[in-house]
Order: sequence, then C-alpha cells, then structure tokens
Amino acid sequence: EVQLVQSGAEVKKPGESLKISCKGSGYSFSSYWIGWVRQMPGNGLEWMGIIYPGDSDTRYSPSFQGQVTISADKSISTAYLQWSSLKASDTAIYYCARRRGYSYGDYSMDVWGQGTTVTVSS
Amino acid sequence: QSVLTQPPSASGTPGQRVTISCSGSSTNIGSNPVNWYQQLPGTAPHLLIYSNDQRPSGVPDRFSGSKSGTSASLAISGLQSEDEADYYCAACDDSLNGQEVVFGGGTKLTVL
Repeated sequence: EVQLVQSGAEVKKPGESLKISCKGSGYSFSSYWIGWVRQMPGNGLEWMGIIYPGDSDTRYSPSFQGQVTISADKSISTAYLQWSSLKASDTAIYYCARRRGYSYGDYSMDVWGQGTTVTVSS
Repeated sequence: QSVLTQPPSASGTPGQRVTISCSGSSTNIGSNPVNWYQQLPGTAPHLLIYSNDQRPSGVPDRFSGSKSGTSASLAISGLQSEDEADYYCAACDDSLNGQEVVFGGGTKLTVL
C-alpha cells in the first residue's frame, strides 16, 4: 500500500525549533516529488513548497521562503519540514503529499499524509 | 485572499446535482490543469479530480470536472450525505518566481 505517515502532534513555545517528518512506503520514494501544505485553524489549504527526494531539488512558495526549510533523506524515505524559531502564527496542521506525475504544470497530489498538528503557545 | 476564487458554501438535497465553481486567471487555470480535492471533516484532503476532468481510481463517477478558459467546475450528481465536506480547487501558477501551486479558498458543501 502506498502511504505517507507523518510524525505526531507537537506542542512548542515561541522561539523553539521544530522538525516534523513524512515517511513514504509502498513506492519508490526517490522518484516522486513531496509537497507540504499548511492548514491554519478553520482555514483553507496553503502551498508551502516541494522537494524531489532523488536529488533534493527544492522549490518554495514565496510566502514561505526563508520561514521554513524543506529537506529529505532518500535513504530512509523521509521528507522533513523544519522551523528554526517558531511563532504563534505557525500553529496549524501540516500535510505532506506526493505529486502524482511529472508533466509541466501538473501538480496533482495523489497521496496525502495524515497531517501533523503543530501548536505554538507560551 | 486566495488566488483561485470559489464560493464559500454550497448545498443540495440527496439525489440532487450540485456544481462548485473555481475562477482563476491566465497564469494558473488558463495555462495549467486544474485539480480538485475533497476534505471530509477531521481528515486529510484527498485527490478527487486531476487534469481538469480525470478521476483517480476509486472515485465514483458521480464526481466530474470541467474547465473552460480561466474557470473550472466540479459537479456532483446523485448527492449523498457522505459528500458533505470541504472542496478545494488547485492549479499551478506560472508566476515570476517559477511554478507555484495555488488553491481556492474552499467550498463547504452541506447536504440538507
């Protein structure tokens, strides 16, 4: 079964660092792009960026460039999303998702992780 | 303010046909395929329609998508109670910074 399994919920204080993970299984992890999507409480979906685990080619949404770091370790089929200094406004559910294909402009995401809830509060 | 525009809500009775619109521009919907996601309450989104009108395996044929110019639509026929969810359209946007995925604000579908 193709799946993405994300790390568990986190409760952090402002200013702390955090790294959450997304582990793929059931397919060739290195060969598919993995994207990250934010959903703030009661809000819609926001695109953060995407990484190709095969060579770590990474593209960030301008809204998140410099705010987070996306990385991957293909040897353990895991992608990461990290913050160096969390803010209360980072409180959200974060989803990883697999890009279905490679065609130009085709960013359909066909497999989603279950989401990681991050709560930042003093 | 989302790049793609969807109505915030839609509703219908069981058995009815409902459509949800998604409006964009020449740099996103006008240039790239549209995808639709369904998010059931308390769960992760999942892909409902890709490449404008294609259904992944397992998605009932009650769900259909279409695109014309800079707008797209999702149609749900034979509405069922389990269709009550949030629906999001998405497309790649060819911005100055390269390609970026943009989402609609989401449409909350209520089955009356």
